[in-house]
Amino acid sequence: QLQLQESGPGLVKPLETLSLTCTVSGDPLSGSTYYWGWIRQSTGKGLEWIGTFFSSGGAFYYNPSLKSRVTISVDTSKNQFSLTLTSVTAADTAVYYCARHFRITGIFSDRWGQGTLVSVTS
Amino acid sequence: QSALTQPPSASGSPGQSVTISCTGTSSDIGGYKFVSWYQQHPGEAPKLVLYEVAQRPSGVPERFSGSRSGNTASLTVSGLQAEDEADYYCSAYAGSSNFAVFGGGTKLTVL
Repeated sequence: QLQLQESGPGLVKPLETLSLTCTVSGDPLSGSTYYWGWIRQSTGKGLEWIGTFFSSGGAFYYNPSLKSRVTISVDTSKNQFSLTLTSVTAADTAVYYCARHFRITGIFSDRWGQGTLVSVTS
Repeated sequence: QSALTQPPSASGSPGQSVTISCTGTSSDIGGYKFVSWYQQHPGEAPKLVLYEVAQRPSGVPERFSGSRSGNTASLTVSGLQAEDEADYYCSAYAGSSNFAVFGGGTKLTVL
């Protein structure tokens, strides 16, 4: 049974770097035919796609509005992928979800982690 | 402010049908068939209920249906049940650089 689990600090100071990891069980990232990525949900902006990768092709896709601050990395040996968001502000406070997508066009996400709340505060 | 526009609330009685709209532009909803809808109960992650406008993932009841006309997509829930009470979000492909934009969500209340 596929499971995704986010982990990482729940508090980040302004202008610092947010780092989260998604651990996937039940489906190997290496050679996967699915896409995997991050989506966040804030009170002010609702749901927002952050970025996605396709491990079999080595391709990464980022939301243009976040692209300058976002990096997604993959560790297939641990079956994990990570999100790094630099220079955070209060606007980055949100619940961050990792998810599996079966289609890149539209980011159709059929499996989600439970989400982790990250608050940006001094 | 979300890229796609949804009404903040909708309601219906058990057994009735409710339709939720999602309005975008010719660059997203009007330009591609890659529209999806998610259901979210409090404290839970979103759940995909429709994709490619009207396709239902395995396990989603036939009561959930979708359509698209011009720059507006719609989700219809027929035969409303108590468990349908949730927030619903639409999403659409917006071109080769922005693979998904979302609506602000609609809170569906079953009276």
